Amino acid sequence: QQQVKQSPQSLIVQKGGIPIINCAYENTAFDYFPWYQQFPGKGPALLIAIRPDVSEKKEGRFTISFNKSAKQFSLHIMDSQPGDSATYFCAASYNSGGYQKVTFGTGTKLQVIP
Amino acid sequence: EAGVAQSPRYKIIEKRQSVAFWCNPISGHATLYWYQQILGQGPKLLIQFQNNGVVDDSQLPKDRFSAERLKGVDSTLKIQPAKLEDSAVYLCASSLTSGGSEQYFGPGTRLTVT
Repeated sequence: QQQVKQSPQSLIVQKGGIPIINCAYENTAFDYFPWYQQFPGKGPALLIAIRPDVSEKKEGRFTISFNKSAKQFSLHIMDSQPGDSATYFCAASYNSGGYQKVTFGTGTKLQVIP
Repeated sequence: EAGVAQSPRYKIIEKRQSVAFWCNPISGHATLYWYQQILGQGPKLLIQFQNNGVVDDSQLPKDRFSAERLKGVDSTLKIQPAKLEDSAVYLCASSLTSGGSEQYFGPGTRLTVT
């Protein structure tokens, strides 16, 4: 129940395309859904996050779509650039005993071709 | 603002040897996390500290792994004895509070056990 299922495992798009990465969860206690971006040799960095009281959030070229009833959320990257080539992780967390318990997805390796 | 510091960046040891990793979180961050990231997978939480107390170590293999956070600041993670399957990147992260705030990750320590 703590799992977050992420797909696809890898994705190749042309520059300007709109890659979409999907995540699904089971635990309805999850209340915070961040996306992290990781470049080779670096730690993950928070990209954008959403709480379940909204269905969409945009920050620059990155958009999270959230479907509470389906227990799914996705990341869209508008006008993708070669510099967006990285591994993307979704995550979900909930409050337990006053602290957040976080579970990460398995990651999606994105390659944007010039 | 200085980021999360980790050392060493790389370590190669033989199985059954011991190894220790060090983490210095962002100043003022109360919560510190250690994650294990096996190649091609998402980060898996090993242990979470709130100040210098452990709030979650449910996925820490306590027969061989140990961690401490001295004076609520720096932390060390130790493996003794190491096994081949411990080969992974060990990530340290910190957050201002434990309640759903952004986690900031260090660059990680890549451990290879031969």
